[in-house]
Amino acid sequence: AQSVTQPDIHITVSEGASLELRCNYSYGATPYLFWYVQSPGQGLQLLLKYFSGDTLVQGIKGFEAEFKRSQSSFNLRKPSVHWSDAAEYFCAVGPPGGATNKLIFGTGTLLAVQP
Amino acid sequence: DAMVIQNPRYQVTQFGKPVTLSCSQTLNHNVMYWYQQKSSQAPKLLFHYYDKDFNNEADTPDNFQSRRPNTSFCFLDIRSPGLGDAAMYLCATSREGRQPQHFGDGTRLSIL
Repeated sequence: AQSVTQPDIHITVSEGASLELRCNYSYGATPYLFWYVQSPGQGLQLLLKYFSGDTLVQGIKGFEAEFKRSQSSFNLRKPSVHWSDAAEYFCAVGPPGGATNKLIFGTGTLLAVQP
Repeated sequence: DAMVIQNPRYQVTQFGKPVTLSCSQTLNHNVMYWYQQKSSQAPKLLFHYYDKDFNNEADTPDNFQSRRPNTSFCFLDIRSPGLGDAAMYLCATSREGRQPQHFGDGTRLSIL
């Protein structure tokens, strides 16, 4: 069955510290991979996406993610967290083919940033 | 700026009273999606339109309907809302194929 796992429900980091949010997927083929961020009461904003090619993907707001096929992972990283990064982060996968991009979301990781 | 706009941002309705949520887009995307998101959960796809073709998810309750009168607008109708339907409803759009989805800010629905 297709699924996305975000093992960490809640993470707290200090401002300025580095961050890594984990995402593992189970899919029949290499899917398309996304990270979205959701601030309280807001919709989801796309941080970055991986379709093919270079496995290290750069996104907005200083985020990057690395696709590791052997580990079925797509972890999100940021070298120095800012207080404004506090939000919920969702990893999602989409089908490698087809006309519509139906996403499967992970359950999210809530990030808190300590001053 | 091209965007996805949801109205209203907050909607309160009574138990059993029909309610309609709206979504409009200026991105000219041919695919539109409706998600339900309950507190601290992932968005759950209810249905999507590929152009005028409606695609319902197997576990979407019959209580939920949708209309897409043109490319720019899509509506979510809840015929007889129950307390369990209180949630954030998110609209998203994308181009066809391997394209990311663009989300609106959502409508928070409360049921009295």
